[in-house]
Amino acid sequence: NAGVMQNPRHLVRRRGQEARLRCSPMKGHSHVYWYRQLPEEGLKFMVYLQKENIIDESGMPKERFSAEFPKEGPSILRIQQVVRGDSAAYFCASSLTGSNQPQHFGDGTRLSIL
Amino acid sequence: GEDVEQSLFLSVREGDSSVINCTYTDSSSTYLYWYKQEPGAGLQLLTYIFSNMDMKQDQRLTVLLNKKDKHLSLRIADTQTGDSAIYFCAESKNQGGKLIFGQGTELSVKP
Repeated sequence: NAGVMQNPRHLVRRRGQEARLRCSPMKGHSHVYWYRQLPEEGLKFMVYLQKENIIDESGMPKERFSAEFPKEGPSILRIQQVVRGDSAAYFCASSLTGSNQPQHFGDGTRLSIL
Repeated sequence: GEDVEQSLFLSVREGDSSVINCTYTDSSSTYLYWYKQEPGAGLQLLTYIFSNMDMKQDQRLTVLLNKKDKHLSLRIADTQTGDSAIYFCAESKNQGGKLIFGQGTELSVKP
């Protein structure tokens, strides 16, 4: 499967715990994007990364959220001290380059906070 | 500003054509996209159009762009029950990076 791979598909956490969401881009893609979809809403941009660099984090909440895309391995979206309002579907997308290339999406991680 | 709007629901009969509309506000957008989302799944890229084009056709899909009115539409010919899903339009800027999405249009196809 050469598509964007996200895991886990479903993640349940209690308030105050940490959530780690992983994304492996399509083969050959070096640009990764994270989006959040709240219930009954469209997708909202969070962060755009290239290998080892954050290009645009204008959609990231200022606290508790961080993202990385290391030289080796998947991109990680990390949410510390989760709260009920973090419950959402988190989608990762990748593109070949950052300019004028379509973004291809994974199936998402559904995060539920108890 | 950055705002993309779509109507929320559309219901058609199998075999009819569906037209899903989208308006955007940022005239500097260079690419406009249509994605399809089935329940519990991710977004599937259907088609996209560059802003200097008026129309793009791909099998049953036709995209029309009116740049003057900032209006984008997706026409699905001979709509099938398998086309039932939520359809999102999205815009992007020339430098790449983030997509701005509409709220999505839920298409219901009745047999």
